[in-house]
Amino acid sequence: GAVVSQHPSWVICKSGTSVKIECRSLDFQATTMFWYRQFPKQSLMLMATSNEGSKATYEQGVEKDKFLINHASLTLSTLTVTSAHPEDSSFYICSARPPEPYTGELFFGEGSRLTVL
Amino acid sequence: AQTVTQSQPEMSVQEAETVTLSCTYDTSESDYYLFWYKQPPSRQMILVIRQEAYKQQNATENRFSVNFQKAAKSFSLKISDSQLGDAAMYFCAYRRANTNAGKSTFGDGTTLTVKP
Repeated sequence: GAVVSQHPSWVICKSGTSVKIECRSLDFQATTMFWYRQFPKQSLMLMATSNEGSKATYEQGVEKDKFLINHASLTLSTLTVTSAHPEDSSFYICSARPPEPYTGELFFGEGSRLTVL
Repeated sequence: AQTVTQSQPEMSVQEAETVTLSCTYDTSESDYYLFWYKQPPSRQMILVIRQEAYKQQNATENRFSVNFQKAAKSFSLKISDSQLGDAAMYFCAYRRANTNAGKSTFGDGTTLTVKP
């Protein structure tokens, strides 16, 4: 089956620094990946749609300058949280759409827990 | 806009018993997919079961089955012979068909506890 890997799984950083999270599709090419944010015991909140070779599409209310998304290859999308602050602490999840024949489901990374001190 | 509603924030079931998780959705589309995803304590989301809206037959995957009522826009998940490993948060999700990069809409989730 399609495998999506996310790294790092856990990161702690100081306020004001930037953190990069990687999302890789290991055994398939993903033209589209999605980035979510999840608070404890809550649903996934879509932040942006990452498209290979083009700019990401951000959801309303998500600061594109704060959450930089780059999808430079068909197997890698990155989320950079710039000038992180404690309120950015959260669980971030990526997902990827597998190739054709596409049956609709998404494959998810393991998630990355960000703690900003 | 599509919405997905899970009205049960928490459910519990005795090991080996059966439990049903509810999900309703709202859409004006006729062709779409519905999913149940499981998020265990490890936090990685995994697909439990998928249903294509054009199929009348309810999907089944081993101990997991759905009751898909298209007219009522209802999509419940039945877990039979519950096991301790079934304890997780379960999300119902909707996605439009016939679109290359359509977003999925998730419900708020149901936390399932399995009692030994």
